[in-house]
Amino acid sequence: GESVGLHLPTLSVQEGDNSIINCAYSNSASDYFIWYKQESGKGPQFIIDIRSNMDKRQGQRVTVLLNKTVKHLSLQIAATQPGDSAVYFCAEKPLRGGGADGLTFGKGTHLIIQP
Amino acid sequence: ETGVTQSPTHLIKTRGQQVTLRCSSQSGHNTVSWYQQALGQGPQFIFQYYREEENGRGNFPPRFSGLQFPNYSSELNVNALELDDSALYLCASSLVPGNQPQHFGDGTRLSIL
Repeated sequence: GESVGLHLPTLSVQEGDNSIINCAYSNSASDYFIWYKQESGKGPQFIIDIRSNMDKRQGQRVTVLLNKTVKHLSLQIAATQPGDSAVYFCAEKPLRGGGADGLTFGKGTHLIIQP
Repeated sequence: ETGVTQSPTHLIKTRGQQVTLRCSSQSGHNTVSWYQQALGQGPQFIFQYYREEENGRGNFPPRFSGLQFPNYSSELNVNALELDDSALYLCASSLVPGNQPQHFGDGTRLSIL
């Protein structure tokens, strides 16, 4: 079946630098995408979402970019802080009508912030 | 605003037993989804409940079943537990089904001996 994947299992960045986490998806029928942050011992925390009719969306210190041509999603975190250390997941949901309304998650990227 | 809460936080069972996990949705949310997260993996969709009925299901066998109650809280039941059922079970709620953010609880860690 189709699934969402991530390019790198671990990303290490210096505190204060910008971080970019990438995600490739293969289901062309996906129309909704979400980024989650998961800290150790906790559930995934919603960061930002984007629908397929958009190519960019900004939140507080975060930007999500969607390139439907190459089926690529990225999360940019500005001025990375120690509290940003976590595993980041992208998730996608296909157009409703296919049955399940669940999200399909990738395996995650572990973001490590160096002091 | 109260977030998603799950109970218990940890549970140990043996093969063949049955387990019930509970979830209270975030206030105002009427849709609940359940996910299984194995160590080092992303969550996998089990099923979703809306208006007390199953609204969609992932690739899980029938021994995984659920309920949703009039107050939108939900239960996940797993029968005939297998060693591979050891995982973190996550509940997520959303305002409605469809393209809405799903907000997760901190999960129940289930260990099968």
